[in-house]
Amino acid sequence: QQQVKQSPQSLIVQKGGISIINCAYENTAFDYFPWYQQFPGKGPALLIAIRPDVSEKKEGRFTISFNKSAKQFSLHIMDSQPGDSATYFCAARWGSARQLTFGSGTQLTVLP
Amino acid sequence: DAGVTQSPTHLIKTRGQQVTLRCSPKSGHDTVSWYQQALGQGPQFIFQYYEEEERQRGNFPDRFSGHQFPNYSSELNVNALLLGDSALYLCASSTKEEQYFGPGTRLTVT
Repeated sequence: QQQVKQSPQSLIVQKGGISIINCAYENTAFDYFPWYQQFPGKGPALLIAIRPDVSEKKEGRFTISFNKSAKQFSLHIMDSQPGDSATYFCAARWGSARQLTFGSGTQLTVLP
Repeated sequence: DAGVTQSPTHLIKTRGQQVTLRCSPKSGHDTVSWYQQALGQGPQFIFQYYEEEERQRGNFPDRFSGHQFPNYSSELNVNALLLGDSALYLCASSTKEEQYFGPGTRLTVT
């Protein structure tokens, strides 16, 4: 019930294309959904986050789409660049400590 | 403004030994959470410290323990190390909203 399922496991996109990563959850107690970007040897860096009462949030080239009824949310990276090549994790927050449950990650490669 | 810092960067230990990892939170943050990230997987919540007490714990054995100091810095201790404890250990600090992660400590158990 605390799981977040993420797909695809890997994604290859041409420069300038749109990268789309999807996540699904079951636990309705989740109250906050962040996305993190992680480069090799580094810690995860917060990219963008959304609350379940909002259907879409955009920050620069990054957009989260949230479908509360379907319990799904996705990250769209517009105009993907080679520098976006990294592993992306969706997460969901729950509990009194507001701990995060992470998806399994998507390794994005943007070809020049 | 320094972000979350962790030490050491890398660590190699032998099975059965004990290890201590350290974390200094981002300025102004009073809550520290620890996560374990196995290779190729997402981080998993170990526990969280607030006001020098463990507030919540994930599905990890008692071999994993921690401490938070009055300056909000924190330590993660792992006793009786197993090969399966090899992972990147991440510290995250927060106030009420977003959690910010440090660079992690890469622990290798041989």
